[in-house]
Amino acid sequence: GENVEQHPSTLSVQEGDSAVIKCTYSDSASNYFPWYKQELGKRPQLIIDIRSNVGEKKDQRIAVTLNKTAKHFSLHITETQPEDSAVYFCAAPPYGGGNKLTFGTGTQLKVEL
Amino acid sequence: KAGVTQTPRYLIKTRGQQVTLSCSPISGHRSVSWYQQTPGQGLQFLFEYFSETQRNKGNFPGRFSGRQFSNSRSEMNVSTLELGDSALYLCASSFWQRGSDTQYFGPGTRLTVL
Repeated sequence: GENVEQHPSTLSVQEGDSAVIKCTYSDSASNYFPWYKQELGKRPQLIIDIRSNVGEKKDQRIAVTLNKTAKHFSLHITETQPEDSAVYFCAAPPYGGGNKLTFGTGTQLKVEL
Repeated sequence: KAGVTQTPRYLIKTRGQQVTLSCSPISGHRSVSWYQQTPGQGLQFLFEYFSETQRNKGNFPGRFSGRQFSNSRSEMNVSTLELGDSALYLCASSFWQRGSDTQYFGPGTRLTVL
């Protein structure tokens, strides 16, 4: 099955700085990589996703990059704000696994004033 | 469109009992997946249903089961509850019938087993 590793487990940045979270996956045939944000006591919410036919995708202050050769993908948040503080999860399905997502262990991001 | 809804939001049960959780997907979505979230194990996939058929299954014991109805609503059942089943149970719905698609999560059901 798919194995997803996520680093770091905690990340503290100053407001306005950038934050980067990295994930590696094991199934070289995986083709879909979503990122979810979960605030305390709330449901995970998709913030961005990327498919294996592209190397980068941006949405305002958020971007995701994918390196298929190295089997890793990263989340980049620029100009961080206090409301970005949350736990972020990466995920990937095994090849042919459809919606069977394997999640990383999460990164607790804290944006300090 | 209304989002994914789950009922009940909170449940307290004792060991040995069984429990049924319900999930209503976003209108038009036919795929429903269930996940267990715990501090120790994180988010783990339980199973996925599409058109009333189980399409994918995670590595959970047979005490965990599910089903989907013709209106795409889904239920999951846990029999013979154990203390370790205490968790947040999340369901997620998506539209596409093949491949991987964006999954939208419900608010979850917080199950506490005493």
